[in-house]
Amino acid sequence: EVQLVQSGGRLVRPGGSLRLSCAASGFTFEDYGMSWVRQAPGKGLEWLSGVNWNGGVTGYADSVKGRFTISRDNARKSVYLQLNSLRVEDTAFYYCVRGWEELYYFDNWGQGALVTVSS
Amino acid sequence: EIVLTQSPGTLSLSPGERATLSCRASESVSSYYLAWYQQRPGQAPRLLIYAASSRATGIPDRFSGSGSGTDFTLTISRLEPEDFAVYYCQQYGSSPRFSFGQGTKLEI
Repeated sequence: EVQLVQSGGRLVRPGGSLRLSCAASGFTFEDYGMSWVRQAPGKGLEWLSGVNWNGGVTGYADSVKGRFTISRDNARKSVYLQLNSLRVEDTAFYYCVRGWEELYYFDNWGQGALVTVSS
Repeated sequence: EIVLTQSPGTLSLSPGERATLSCRASESVSSYYLAWYQQRPGQAPRLLIYAASSRATGIPDRFSGSGSGTDFTLTISRLEPEDFAVYYCQQYGSSPRFSFGQGTKLEI
């Protein structure tokens, strides 16, 4: 069974930083690209970033380019999202998802991690 | 930037009825790059349909997808109580690489 278990969500001050983690199991991790998608409370879905199978190619939405960094560690079967210069409008549930440019869709989702940016 | 517009915003139906949800793209989208998701309250989204008409693993056959170009449709043939949720379409394109529609809420 494919599982994506997330950790790292918490309350952070504006301008602060946070790293989200996602541990994968139940599939050959290095066979897949991975992405992050967020959802502000009561709002729709927004793709943020993706990384290819070996971490060599990444992509970002304009809204987070230069502030967020995606990375992966195939030995640990994990993908990460470093969030810097956080803004109040970054408050959202952040989902780790399997898939990027080899699938063109997201076939498995983590449980979500709530990041709250507030003073 | 390709914008996906879903309609209606809210659809009120009863169990056993047929639901038809629309997703319209501002530019032509390859059918290969169009997917649908279901999100129940308090849960993460789950993939229903990919490549416009292929059901994801474990998805019941009452769910079907169709369409091409700029107009895509998700149909639920006979609504079950667990189908009342929010549905999103998603496309892969140039920039942003992935975008979602704003969602259709299917309510009883």
